Amino acid sequence: SQTIHQWPATLVQPVGSPLSLECTVEGTSNPNLYWYRQAAGRGLQLLFYSVGIGQISSEVPQNLSASRPQDRQFILSSKKLLLSDSGFYLCAWSVLFPVNTEAFFGQGTRLTVV
Amino acid sequence: QKEVEQDPGPLSVPEGAIVSLNCTYSNSAFQYFMWYRQYSRKGPELLMYTYSSGNKEDGRFTAQVDKSSKYISLFIRDSQPSDSATYLCAMSYNSGGYQKVTFGTGTKLQVIP
Repeated sequence: SQTIHQWPATLVQPVGSPLSLECTVEGTSNPNLYWYRQAAGRGLQLLFYSVGIGQISSEVPQNLSASRPQDRQFILSSKKLLLSDSGFYLCAWSVLFPVNTEAFFGQGTRLTVV
Repeated sequence: QKEVEQDPGPLSVPEGAIVSLNCTYSNSAFQYFMWYRQYSRKGPELLMYTYSSGNKEDGRFTAQVDKSSKYISLFIRDSQPSDSATYLCAMSYNSGGYQKVTFGTGTKLQVIP
């Protein structure tokens, strides 16, 4: 069965520090991978998606970047965190139509920038 | 106008009540419609998905899609305290070989014992 791992679960970082969140998927090949941010009252905001190794698309200009060094690994990074980067970050994967169209989510990382 | 609009709630109902959760959308390209349940401090988990107008039932849950009105609903029968969570609607379409998914902001539901 497919599983998705995301870590860490919680993170407190000072303003200006770097960030690296990692997500790995098991049990599937060539998944579409996504990074979402969920802020209170704003729902899930898509930050980045990837359809393959080294292929990253950004949905919203951010102080963040993403990389996909391996087929089932997706990394969210920042060189210098801002207070506004605080939020709940979720990694997700999906496969192409027609078999599965839903996205499966990791457990999330709650980031607090102080 | 947001592509997907969802009543934010919160919604508080007594145990055993029928719950109706709703979303509207503006993009007629959406083909797939999903409902996710998210418990506090957890990632969302898929409850139901459908790709056609009409009703789809799974136990106490019924998903309804009306493409002509661009309206989807999730009904929960005999609601239980364990149903207390935030419910997110989501919709997607195939864009260049990739499923572009848009989520609603979520409706927080509390079922009172």
